[in-house]
Amino acid sequence: AAGVIQSPRHLIKEKRETATLKCYPIPRHDTVYWYQQGPGQDPQFLISFYEKMQSDKGSIPDRFSAQQFSDYHSELNMSSLELGDSALYFCASSPTGTAWGLLEQYFGPGTRLTVT
Amino acid sequence: AQKVTQAQTEISVVEKEDVTLDCVYETRDTTYYLFWYKQPPSGELVFLIRRNSFDEQNEISGRYSWNFQKSTSSFNFTITASQVVDSAVYFCALSSEAAGNKLTFGGGTRVLVKP
Repeated sequence: AAGVIQSPRHLIKEKRETATLKCYPIPRHDTVYWYQQGPGQDPQFLISFYEKMQSDKGSIPDRFSAQQFSDYHSELNMSSLELGDSALYFCASSPTGTAWGLLEQYFGPGTRLTVT
Repeated sequence: AQKVTQAQTEISVVEKEDVTLDCVYETRDTTYYLFWYKQPPSGELVFLIRRNSFDEQNEISGRYSWNFQKSTSSFNFTITASQVVDSAVYFCALSSEAAGNKLTFGGGTRVLVKP
């Protein structure tokens, strides 16, 4: 079965540079979530999109922006990178919930960003 | 605000022992969803189980079972007859439509299964 695709898998950037992370959800999934997991931490919600519109926002720095495109893929843009941005960035996708409630989020393999 | 607490930071067992992971949650929502995810050393997050707040029936799925008790806001997870491949960090998570469907994770419990 198709899974969530994230690219690149690994990224090394220097301070003050920019980075773009991409996420391709499972086909027919219309909702995308972004999470940031620092070393030894649990994943923290950044932002989500439903049908190409931002649906919720968490503790996402102003230096970060994201969007969901017409083909449902999403990109997380990060500018003025700081050392503290080094983390594993997960994208998750989910189909619209049913009458029985929310369905699970399926996570991509993550992009490991290292800022030096 | 929603909160998930996993009091156990690390559990070490010998293969074939059972492992029970504790999870306590806080939410003001009446309808919510609880999840367990596994994160092996390779880093990916693997969905294991989901439970709705209106269904307290406990089930067994293979070597996994869970105990959902609304009265104590707990959602414990058990691995029966553990195997070395079960070594991973396990996260309990909570979500609700009222909270935007985002997952709130606990701090995770690292499980080490020794041969």
